[in-house]
Amino acid sequence: GNSVTQMEGPVTLSEEAFLTINCTYTATGYPSLFWYVQYPGEGLQLLLKATKADDKGSNKGFEATYRKETTSFHLEKGSVQVSDSAVYFCARNAGGTSYGKLTFGQGTILTVHP
Amino acid sequence: DAGVTQSPTHLIKTRGQQVTLRCSPKSGHDTVSWYQQALGQGPQFIFQYYEEEERQRGNFPDRFSGHQFPNYSSELNVNALLLGDSALYLCASSLVDGAGGPSDTQYFGPGTRLTVL
Repeated sequence: GNSVTQMEGPVTLSEEAFLTINCTYTATGYPSLFWYVQYPGEGLQLLLKATKADDKGSNKGFEATYRKETTSFHLEKGSVQVSDSAVYFCARNAGGTSYGKLTFGQGTILTVHP
Repeated sequence: DAGVTQSPTHLIKTRGQQVTLRCSPKSGHDTVSWYQQALGQGPQFIFQYYEEEERQRGNFPDRFSGHQFPNYSSELNVNALLLGDSALYLCASSLVDGAGGPSDTQYFGPGTRLTVL
C-alpha cells in the first residue's frame, strides 16, 4: 500500500543552522509529494510540493527534491529561524484516479532556539 | 479570499453520543476531504466528497458518515462515540481539475478538537 516514513524526531537546532528532515515513500503509482507545516494549535499549511521525478519544490527558503531512484523527498533549509519551530509532515497522494487522498508521515517536531 | 473554515473549534462529548462537525471549503473549491489527527500522529484520511457523493473512503468504520451540500460545504457525523475518537478533525478542500479529477493540492482548515470523555 501507500505509506510515508519520516525521520525520528524531535529535531532541535540553533538559529541559522542547516535543517534536513528525511522522508521516504513507497514506490507505488506516480504520486505527487508534499510537505505540510503545522504551527501550535493550528491546521496544516501547504509548504511545498513536487508532482514528478526530479521536480524541486521550494517556498520560504525550504526546498525538497522528488527523488524517484531513492523514493525520497527530504526537506532542507539552509538557515532556520525561531519562527520555523513547528511540526512538519511529509505526504503523498495515491496517484491515478484516487490522487485526492493524502497519506501522511508521522510528523517531525522542529524546535529552533535563538 | 476566505480559506477553509470549520466549526466548532472545540467540542466535548461523552461516550455513546453523536457529534456533527462542519466545514466550509475555500472559495471556488468543490471537493472536501476529512481527516482525523490523533495526538502526536499524522492525519488519517476518513473520506472525500465531490458532487454531494462520497468518492473515496479510508479505513474508518460506518460510525463515521458525511454529507456534502449543494454549496459544497460538508458535515462529518460520528455516531456512538468512543474514547479513541478523541482527536483533531481536519477538513481540506480542493478543486476538480480540467481532467475531471481532484486537484492534487488540498488546503486545510484549522480543525475541530473533539474530546470524548
